[in-house]
Amino acid sequence: GESVGLHLPTLSVQEGDNSIINCAYSNSASDYFIWYKQESGKGPQFIIDIRSNMDKRQGQRVTVLLNKTVKHLSLQIAATQPGDSAVYFCAEKDAGTALIFGKGTTLSVSS
Amino acid sequence: DAGVTQSPTHLIKTRGQHVTLRCSPISGHKSVSWYQQVLGQGPQFIFQYYEKEERGRGNFPDRFSARQFPNYSSELNVNALLLGDSALYLCASSTRDGNYGYTFGSGTRLTVV
Repeated sequence: GESVGLHLPTLSVQEGDNSIINCAYSNSASDYFIWYKQESGKGPQFIIDIRSNMDKRQGQRVTVLLNKTVKHLSLQIAATQPGDSAVYFCAEKDAGTALIFGKGTTLSVSS
Repeated sequence: DAGVTQSPTHLIKTRGQHVTLRCSPISGHKSVSWYQQVLGQGPQFIFQYYEKEERGRGNFPDRFSARQFPNYSSELNVNALLLGDSALYLCASSTRDGNYGYTFGSGTRLTVV
């Protein structure tokens, strides 16, 4: 499957491949992280979240990995489908009230 | 169950006017947050309200204000609109303690001309 080591603004994969989208977060005090999917003209759609006391969490076809040592978050999508095409954002939160969003990655899935 | 609902969906205003955007959270959620998303960027935090009290404020000018009502719905007001206020305004509803499970509405697309 396709993966990126550092944040890239775009990722193109073939249908059926596994996708990995990476995110570097900024605040070592952040203790809650969320991945969102945003389609054109719509609001961000919650995909999966993880708290800092975990390093891995799985959902349906998605897995989030958290590496607090290097402040890195990744989203793995298994068997990527055309309907997965969208912009993906990671967001972090510390004890404050604001979600801080990372730079989005545009995932394009071709069939 | 209804998700987060926002109104209106689209709005066109002239520079100098003011605008009021509305949000209804998910039933049972007591916290509402507002975000601004400029084209091509991630959402930026404007306000969070919890139990009708302002809990946090982002780096936005005083032209931006908000309030939360007893039924936990919320309004975002922007005065003296500038062209740069053109954006998608998003409302997020979060779990009862206001700290987790942020769910966004579809947003209000504001165009200032």
